[in-house]
Amino acid sequence: GENVEQHPSTLSVQEGDSAVIKCTYSDSASNYFPWYKQELGKGPQLIIDIRSNVGEKKDQRIAVTLNKTAKHFSLHITETQPEDSAVYFCAAPYSGGYQKVTFGTGTKLQVIP
Amino acid sequence: ETGVTQTPRHLVMGMTNKKSLKCEQHLGHNAMYWYKQSAKKPLELMFVYNFKEQTENNSVPSRFSPECPNSSHLFLHLHTLQPEDSALYLCASSHGSGTAGELFFGEGSRLTVL
Repeated sequence: GENVEQHPSTLSVQEGDSAVIKCTYSDSASNYFPWYKQELGKGPQLIIDIRSNVGEKKDQRIAVTLNKTAKHFSLHITETQPEDSAVYFCAAPYSGGYQKVTFGTGTKLQVIP
Repeated sequence: ETGVTQTPRHLVMGMTNKKSLKCEQHLGHNAMYWYKQSAKKPLELMFVYNFKEQTENNSVPSRFSPECPNSSHLFLHLHTLQPEDSALYLCASSHGSGTAGELFFGEGSRLTVL
């Protein structure tokens, strides 16, 4: 199966600074890498994803980079705002079953005003 | 509003009770999932249904029994649970198109087993 490791587990940044969360995966055949944001009392919600045919994708203040050789991908949030405070999860599907998505352990991001 | 509705939001049950969690999706998706979220653990996939057929059972104990009567509804029947089964149970749906894609989660059912 797929093994996904996520770091750090907690991250505190000042408002306006950048935040970076990193994940590594084990299945070299994985080809889809989503990031989810979970706010308190809610289910996870997709914020950005990347497929293996590209190395970087941006959406306003959020970007994801992928290094397939090293088998790691990262979430970058620039100009952080208090509403970015949440738990962020990376994920990767198992190549032997595309719906068997393995999630990282989560990063609790706190943006300090 | 995510398009995936779960009820009840909170449930407290004894170890000998029988209860059910319900999930309904209004997105026209063909795949539905149950995930378990425990404190300090990653989200654990429990079951996957495609077009009402179960396609994945991730070694889940038989005290959890899923049911998918149609592509829009998913149930998780619970009986003789253990305290360690206390967790947030999340339902999700996806297009089920044959390639990995976005999961749409409900807000979860918080289960406490006494």
